[in-house]
Amino acid sequence: NAGVTQTPKFQVLKTGQSMTLQCAQDMNHEYMSWYRQDPGMGLRLIHYSVGAGITDQGEVPNGYNVSRSTTEDFPLRLLSAAPSQTSVYFCASSYSGVSTEAFFGQGTRLTVV
Amino acid sequence: DQQVKQNSPSLSVQEGRISILNCDYTNSMFDYFLWYKKYPAEGPTFLISISSIKDKNEDGRFTVFLNKSAKHLSLHIVPSQPGDSAVYFCAASDSGGSNYKLTFGKGTLLTVNP
Repeated sequence: NAGVTQTPKFQVLKTGQSMTLQCAQDMNHEYMSWYRQDPGMGLRLIHYSVGAGITDQGEVPNGYNVSRSTTEDFPLRLLSAAPSQTSVYFCASSYSGVSTEAFFGQGTRLTVV
Repeated sequence: DQQVKQNSPSLSVQEGRISILNCDYTNSMFDYFLWYKKYPAEGPTFLISISSIKDKNEDGRFTVFLNKSAKHLSLHIVPSQPGDSAVYFCAASDSGGSNYKLTFGKGTLLTVNP
């Protein structure tokens, strides 16, 4: 009963480094999304996917790339990390039907120095 | 431009009393609203939702009210329990009732005192 699994839980990067945040769900959900949470800002949508092979930008997509080659996985790539990307990142998934809830992972706390 | 607003950063109530958390929105295209609860170091967990075709939805101790004309919704928790202490996020979607693209408020920290 894993639900939405994010790895790693914590990460420290140097400015300019790249890395991939992993997200996997075992509920056969079509929809998956990435959010970032900053102090006093709530959660903001980075990218989302409505199915394998389909992705689109959210509110704050700059500096991030995504791909969705399988239903289960939705990795988030930081191309060249910047201190402004220090945040807590949450992955979410949900069924494709209307009026359904989104399930969130436990988050990845990223610090860019 | 903040489309979902939770104007109270924090709320403190006594155990057994009612907690009322408020949320306002500006985007008339929003048609589905959700409340999430978040404990420290955990991901948000779904609490309750309401479609724009309804004005009330109830689930146990939790009731959400929607006033479309005022673009306002509220979450009522009765009775409040210490385990309810958490950050509550209001979220909205304009995706025809689907929730893959949520707009969140900044959250309200609820503290329930024993």
